[in-house]
Amino acid sequence: GENVEQHPSTLSVQEGDSAVIKCTYSDSASNYFPWYKQELGKGPQLIIDIRSNVGEKKDQRIAVTLNKTAKHFSLHITETQPEDSAVYFCARKGDTGRRALTFGSGTRLQVQP
Amino acid sequence: GAGVSQTPSNKVTEKGKYVELRCDPISGHTALYWYRQSLGQGPEFLIYFQGTGAADDSGLPNDRFFAVRPEGSVSTLKIQRTERGDSAVYLCASSPIETVFSGANVLTFGAGSRLTVL
Repeated sequence: GENVEQHPSTLSVQEGDSAVIKCTYSDSASNYFPWYKQELGKGPQLIIDIRSNVGEKKDQRIAVTLNKTAKHFSLHITETQPEDSAVYFCARKGDTGRRALTFGSGTRLQVQP
Repeated sequence: GAGVSQTPSNKVTEKGKYVELRCDPISGHTALYWYRQSLGQGPEFLIYFQGTGAADDSGLPNDRFFAVRPEGSVSTLKIQRTERGDSAVYLCASSPIETVFSGANVLTFGAGSRLTVL
């Protein structure tokens, strides 16, 4: 279906280390994969996204990779900083079925100073 | 406005009461979404408006939930006969029409309305 599985649910890293969060999907019609960051008391905010015709996209310390064959995509954060601590959500959308984003269950990232 | 505004930020009500939650989207954004987020979970889709009409309401859990957007800007989510299981944060998001049709559906979320049903 249109569900997205996200792992891990919690992730703790030392400041300066890298963090990787992975999501898998089953709907082969999925063609848009954004990542959102949610801080306490706020709504989710888009941090990076990727279309299905691209395998990788990078924006400073964050990058997203997409493997369409395996139906998974990952968020990579390098040189983590305490302000990266938040809950991160992956999402997907396709051109068929529901015309809205379907979100994963979230990953709580804690960056230890 | 500068962002998506949601009111009230917090609402405490008793079981069985009627509740209205308001969303004021970014000016010019024709697409508007309602999501529900339970503690420790990702946002769960409820309904999507394109202009004044509900283009997709498949996420509404039952007929106690209803949403309107009469003039294509402000939207109201209405919940009748509230139940304790309705307790959650209700998020509203909007996006410009171009991103909807391009497939890269960039949503701007409000801070949410936290509903607690006692």
